[in-house]
Amino acid sequence: AQSVTQLDSHVSVSEGTPVLLRCNYSSSYSPSLFWYVQHPNKGLQLLLKYTSAATLVKGINGFEAEFKKSETSFHLTKPSAHMSDAAEYFCVVSNTGGFKTIFGAGTRLFVKA
Amino acid sequence: DSGVTQTPKHLITATGQRVTLRCSPRSGDLSVYWYQQSLDQGLQFLIQYYNGEERAKGNILERFSAQQFPDLHSELNLSSLELGDSALYFCASSGGTAESGANVLTFGAGSRLTVL
Repeated sequence: AQSVTQLDSHVSVSEGTPVLLRCNYSSSYSPSLFWYVQHPNKGLQLLLKYTSAATLVKGINGFEAEFKKSETSFHLTKPSAHMSDAAEYFCVVSNTGGFKTIFGAGTRLFVKA
Repeated sequence: DSGVTQTPKHLITATGQRVTLRCSPRSGDLSVYWYQQSLDQGLQFLIQYYNGEERAKGNILERFSAQQFPDLHSELNLSSLELGDSALYFCASSGGTAESGANVLTFGAGSRLTVL
């Protein structure tokens, strides 16, 4: 069985400070892991994906995530937040073929000027 | 533009009515997924089709049904609508094999349904 837990429903940071959005997963096999971003009134957009290659994955807009098998975590980070990063972020776990894709509950990121 | 097209963008209707939401997947993608997003329930997986066949079912109500046609577009039918069905309905598509990135979902912009 697969599951994904986003540990924070809301995160608030100041512009220019680091961002950390936490995600833990559970999977009985080697999963594929993703982060998606949803800006207000928009569809979801893929930020980055991990599919058993390098454990540190770089995505768009300066985001990256590190797959840590021992901790079953896939936290999303960015060194310096920008106002345009304010959005909802979803951590996703999926099996091969995408036939079982589980979304986390989402973390809303607020960025203060 | 993600390549996934959803129509209509907005829809306002009354309780008890029936509506159809349409999705055209990204060119070459064989799988179509439907999701419902509301403020109180978050993002809920409804149903998935792969090359015309139902592949997975999530929290889809009996009043809702979907199908994927030979040209791979999909329709989500919502009937006997209730106030609580007001939500954003997203369609997503993905490729047919792991090599083609079957895990990666490409989302449409959504159809916002308001039931009055």
